[in-house]
Amino acid sequence: TQLLEQSPQFLSIQEGENLTVYCNSSSVFSSLQWYRQEPGEGPVLLVTVVTGGEVKKLKRLTFQFGDARKDSSLHITAAQPGDTGLYLCAGPVLKPASGTYKYIFGTGTRLKVLA
Amino acid sequence: GAGVSQTPSNKVTEKGKYVELRCDPISGHTALYWYRQSLGQGPEFLIYFQGTGAADDSGLPNDRFFAVRPEGSVSTLKIQRTERGDSAVYLCASSLRDRDYNEQFFGPGTRLTVL
Repeated sequence: TQLLEQSPQFLSIQEGENLTVYCNSSSVFSSLQWYRQEPGEGPVLLVTVVTGGEVKKLKRLTFQFGDARKDSSLHITAAQPGDTGLYLCAGPVLKPASGTYKYIFGTGTRLKVLA
Repeated sequence: GAGVSQTPSNKVTEKGKYVELRCDPISGHTALYWYRQSLGQGPEFLIYFQGTGAADDSGLPNDRFFAVRPEGSVSTLKIQRTERGDSAVYLCASSLRDRDYNEQFFGPGTRLTVL
């Protein structure tokens, strides 16, 4: 069974600080996605990483896919209160019988940025 | 354009009752996913539709849960003989097609409370 574990579970920081959250697995994934979810809403896709070692930047957010494609990290520079939310990683799992993909999600990192 | 919509937004029911949760995906999206999210956790995969057929229902916890998508658009998740442990937010997502790195667009969810 493929699992995605995220750390830390909770993070409370002051505005302006930097932080990194991690998504780890013992399994190889063809790609990994990062989502952010705010209370009362569904997750919203931030980025998809598909190549081992890939680094993608989205303004103050930097995403990295591990060389072995078993892990990913999200680094936020100069965090702002608007970054508060639940950060989720997700990866596709192939069902060979049908050739279709389902997605499994990590346990999530709940980030709170204090003004 | 309109995003994914889910109705009702909240549903309170008594143990043993039957409930139906509805999902309206983005027009033209052939892939539709149902997830269940408990407080403080990441979404848990339930079932995936490609068109009208359930391509993967391996996440349905037991035979009290059933989902349909008769015309390849709107989907209904049905739960019979509800139990208190079924209380959670039920999320629906749709995407253009099935690949290993599709962007899933999520609805706001239906919060189900079983008393």
